[in-house]
Amino acid sequence: DAKTTQPNSMESNEEEPVHLPCNHSTISGTDYIHWYRQLPSQGPEYVIHGLTSNVNNRMASLAIAEDRKSSTLILHRATLRDAAVYYCILLLPAGGTSYGKLTFGQGTILTVHP
Amino acid sequence: SAVISQKPSRDICQRGTSLTIQCQVDSQVTMMFWYRQQPGQSLTLIATANQGSEATYESGFVIDKFPISRPNLTFSTLTVSNLSPEDSSIYLCSVRGGANSPLHFGNGTRLTVT
Repeated sequence: DAKTTQPNSMESNEEEPVHLPCNHSTISGTDYIHWYRQLPSQGPEYVIHGLTSNVNNRMASLAIAEDRKSSTLILHRATLRDAAVYYCILLLPAGGTSYGKLTFGQGTILTVHP
Repeated sequence: SAVISQKPSRDICQRGTSLTIQCQVDSQVTMMFWYRQQPGQSLTLIATANQGSEATYESGFVIDKFPISRPNLTFSTLTVSNLSPEDSSIYLCSVRGGANSPLHFGNGTRLTVT
């Protein structure tokens, strides 16, 4: 299974941009890159996903390297409510024995300072 | 996105008993999964709940310990049997509508075994 590597923790100040990196050097051509976050005492929440092109939604932006071996989740203006564990995950391709499953790594703990 | 209701939200159970967790989704979904999150850890996939057939278990998880039912496309149960303190964890139901669509989670069931 392709793995992802993220820093254990990052810190940011409120209203500043945050760039959360993820390395996935063994990604295959059909793997989607998904990001989720988990706030305290809640289940994980979908943030964004992409395949090759950069993606934007109301929560964040996803920048994917041209070789797809790394990606960055961008929170444009961090708020205190963005403090969470952020998981970068590769979606294994359909048709294999791991069809549709997401395998979670340890994630990055984001601390946002007022 | 799908709305997932998980019951109970928490429970305290005695050693040797069993707990059944229910997961109800407000729409029909293709895939349902059960995850476990041990204290301070990331999520680990227990099994894929298959509608109308036996669940598909991940390595380290067996049907006798974690029987799963999925009678239709909106409902599933996970039973944690013969409880021991090591089973104290958060158990999460998750769903996805299609192969490359995001995963959505319930808020989990916090189980404490005494």
